[in-house]
Amino acid sequence: GAGVSQSPSNKVTEKGKDVELRCDPISGHTALYWYRQSLGQGLEFLIYFQGNSAPDKSGLPSDRFSAERTGGSVSTLTIQRTQQEDSAVYLCASSRLAGTHTQYFGPGTRLTVL
Amino acid sequence: GQQVMQIPQYQHVQEGEDFTTYCNSSTTLSNIQWYKQRPGGHPVFLIQLVKSGEVKKQKRLTFQFGEAKKNSSLHITATQTTDVGTYFCAANAGGTSYGKLTFGQGTILTVHP
Repeated sequence: GAGVSQSPSNKVTEKGKDVELRCDPISGHTALYWYRQSLGQGLEFLIYFQGNSAPDKSGLPSDRFSAERTGGSVSTLTIQRTQQEDSAVYLCASSRLAGTHTQYFGPGTRLTVL
Repeated sequence: GQQVMQIPQYQHVQEGEDFTTYCNSSTTLSNIQWYKQRPGGHPVFLIQLVKSGEVKKQKRLTFQFGEAKKNSSLHITATQTTDVGTYFCAANAGGTSYGKLTFGQGTILTVHP
């Protein structure tokens, strides 16, 4: 079956603009995660959704970042008023359930803020 | 909050040598997962450890979970050039943080032929 897909694969934007990053999880996976990976760095947790429960937003770095998941499937990560330090690869992952289940990662969106 | 330290940050080996990366948590974990990320790729799940003292093997890879469930290691025997990449541990503290994985900084493995 299809894996996790993300779009766009690359996004170049100007400082101050808003961007939306999309994630399509594996069908049937109830948990969806967003991470940020800066060049040569580890994965920084941003947010995760589990079914219809309230998302865990504890990793969002500022109120410029928000995410939603519609219909328990597709998720959008929005960054408002982008800053140069937002430049990174944004990875989405999904799993059957949160916690003890394998996370399957998408290819990521490389965001460059000029 | 949850902190996960992974060492070493870099490891260069000659093909055929062994390699080990270590992961240490500041708190007792519910479980720990290991992922591999090839250069230019995305993380791919390798294994999950749940039980205290657990040891799992996948061909040349051996994974261990400490008795206190605060540390873990990944050991590769007789490295090959295909082992090149970054190896991450990912810790699940459980409890109210159930579902949230805290990733270590990763160990970048380079294998010289």
